[in-house]
Amino acid sequence: AQSVTQPDIHITVSEGASLELRCNYSYGATPYLFWYVQSPGQGLQLLLKYFSGDTLVQGIKGFEAEFKRSQSSFNLRKPSVHWSDAAEYFCAVGFILTGGGNKLTFGTGTQLKVEL
Amino acid sequence: DVKVTQSSRYLVKRTGEKVFLECVQDMDHENMFWYRQDPGLGLRLIYFSYDVKMKEKGDIPEGYSVSREKKERFSLILESASTNQTSMYLCASRLTGNSPLHFGNGTRLTVT
Repeated sequence: AQSVTQPDIHITVSEGASLELRCNYSYGATPYLFWYVQSPGQGLQLLLKYFSGDTLVQGIKGFEAEFKRSQSSFNLRKPSVHWSDAAEYFCAVGFILTGGGNKLTFGTGTQLKVEL
Repeated sequence: DVKVTQSSRYLVKRTGEKVFLECVQDMDHENMFWYRQDPGLGLRLIYFSYDVKMKEKGDIPEGYSVSREKKERFSLILESASTNQTSMYLCASRLTGNSPLHFGNGTRLTVT
């Protein structure tokens, strides 16, 4: 069965430090890949997406992610974290259904804390 | 910009009540979704709809039903609310199958 794993429940980084949030998936083909961010009390906002082509994708707020087929991973990175980046981050993977259409499955999220 | 509006931010209901959660999107999106979000479990899909009057079960449909009479509106119904349905409920919509989801701000439902 298809699945999405975010192995880190909580991550704490200092402001200005680099960040990498991990996402792994299990699927027999190339899925559609997304990263979303959720600030407290808000819905989810799309950071970036990957469908095909260049495996390094740029998103909003200075985030980027790299698709690595050999590792079934789509890790999110940011070179220098700002205090306003503190939020919960969700990886989502779109799987094609046998009968057509597709299904989006979310990871359990990574809570990012930024220390000043 | 796409706007997905959920009618209530907070709701408190009693066990056994029938509960309606409303969601409206303003961008003529075909697909609409209801998720619930619980700590440590991420987002889990309850129901979705690819078009008006169409509905499909998600991963956790038990205890819920939906209605989509108009393209812009997707309602989630808890026929008889129970305490284990206390959760954050998120509505989302998208233009087509490969498009990103656009989310509302959520409804935090407490069932006592």
